[in-house]
Amino acid sequence: EAGVTQSPTHLIKTRGQQATLRCSPISGHTSVYWYQQALGLGLQFLLWYDEGEERNRGNFPPRFSGRQFPNYSSELNVNALELEDSALYLCASSLTGTENEAFFGQGTRLTVV
Amino acid sequence: AQKITQTQPGMFVQEKEAVTLDCTYDTSDQSYGLFWYKQPSSGEMIFLIYQGSYDEQNATEGRYSLNFQKARKSANLVISASQLGDSAMYFCAIRKSGSARQLTFGSGTQLTVLP
Repeated sequence: EAGVTQSPTHLIKTRGQQATLRCSPISGHTSVYWYQQALGLGLQFLLWYDEGEERNRGNFPPRFSGRQFPNYSSELNVNALELEDSALYLCASSLTGTENEAFFGQGTRLTVV
Repeated sequence: AQKITQTQPGMFVQEKEAVTLDCTYDTSDQSYGLFWYKQPSSGEMIFLIYQGSYDEQNATEGRYSLNFQKARKSANLVISASQLGDSAMYFCAIRKSGSARQLTFGSGTQLTVLP
């Protein structure tokens, strides 16, 4: 069974540009979570999507946005990139209603220059 | 609000010995779950073990066990018979039940296993 997959693995963008990151959850999982991990720091919650709807949002500016598609895959968009957006972005998926699991992808490393 | 505290930025352990990574949490919720993840230098987060707040027995998964002390709000990870491949960053996390089910992570502990 395939795990959570994220693309691209690495992404280099210029300040002010937009970045789009993609996540495919484990088959059957309907919830997708996005986290940001800046260098040397822990994971900060960004967004939670479930059944196509945004369910919760972390303390990030509106230029961080996303969506979930009917097949439960998800996109994270970061507009007007700033240097401090450089980080590892991790996606996790779980099955709605289950409490004891959350599996992560390998992450997208975004570098803003 | 929920909070996870990991007070050991770095730990060293000799190969084949056991090691305990500390985690304390703060929550006002009655129902919650505690997770431990391993993050190698490659970046992916590997799920290790889960403990529910109502589980009376400590969770175990192979060489990993979770020492859950609810009254002390403590959820320490014990790794037995350490291996060189255990060298990684370890994160403790908490999730509340119901809405707002995202994970809240601690700052992590960098474990180095010495040969």
